[in-house]
Amino acid sequence: DAMVIQNPRYQVTQFGKPVTLSCSQTLNHNVMYWYQQKSSQAPKLLFHYYDKDFNNEADTPDNFQSRRPNTSFCFLDIRSPGLGDAAMYLCATSFTRGNQPQHFGDGTRLSIL
Amino acid sequence: DQQVKQNSPSLSVQEGRISILNCDYTNSMFDYFLWYKKYPAEGPTFLISISSIKDKNEDGRFTVFLNKSAKHLSLHIVPSQPGDSAVYFCAATEHGSSNTGKLIFGQGTTLQVKP
Repeated sequence: DAMVIQNPRYQVTQFGKPVTLSCSQTLNHNVMYWYQQKSSQAPKLLFHYYDKDFNNEADTPDNFQSRRPNTSFCFLDIRSPGLGDAAMYLCATSFTRGNQPQHFGDGTRLSIL
Repeated sequence: DQQVKQNSPSLSVQEGRISILNCDYTNSMFDYFLWYKKYPAEGPTFLISISSIKDKNEDGRFTVFLNKSAKHLSLHIVPSQPGDSAVYFCAATEHGSSNTGKLIFGQGTTLQVKP
């Protein structure tokens, strides 16, 4: 089955220690999104790639970066995680931008010690 | 400023009855609306969507109604089944030259369907 896979499912890191979250897709979709969802809150878009074109949301902290080396993979890098970055990180894909559903992975829950 | 609101954090319904989940929005530029279902430890799963040119969309037991003048949409599940117990998120997106496909989510409503 075509899918969106996120690894790892659970990630623990230390305060200030860089961490990378991974997302892969077999849907051959052009767009890949990263959302942050804190406890009991709505998911919030951090940034997205449309093919190789990176699009950052205005309120995404500089601490968060992303890489998309090819169509299938997208990474979320947190350079110096703070306690406030503990959250569920969701990767989603869509064939193109616009009025269509996005397909989500199961997320990575990030804990900061 | 929360543009998509789900004012009921939780809803409990008896199996076989109708579940009605509500969602309000403030941005009149939203033109596409979606409902997602989320089980614990899983990502959101797309359920049903509606374009702003319609006022109703139906898919099996799931129907979404859109009232543009009231900036309100609702999801009806008939009949409700215990497997429908999950968190339901309403989301919206804005079309236009700056369209990124960005989904604006509500905070979710936890539905419990009792056998």
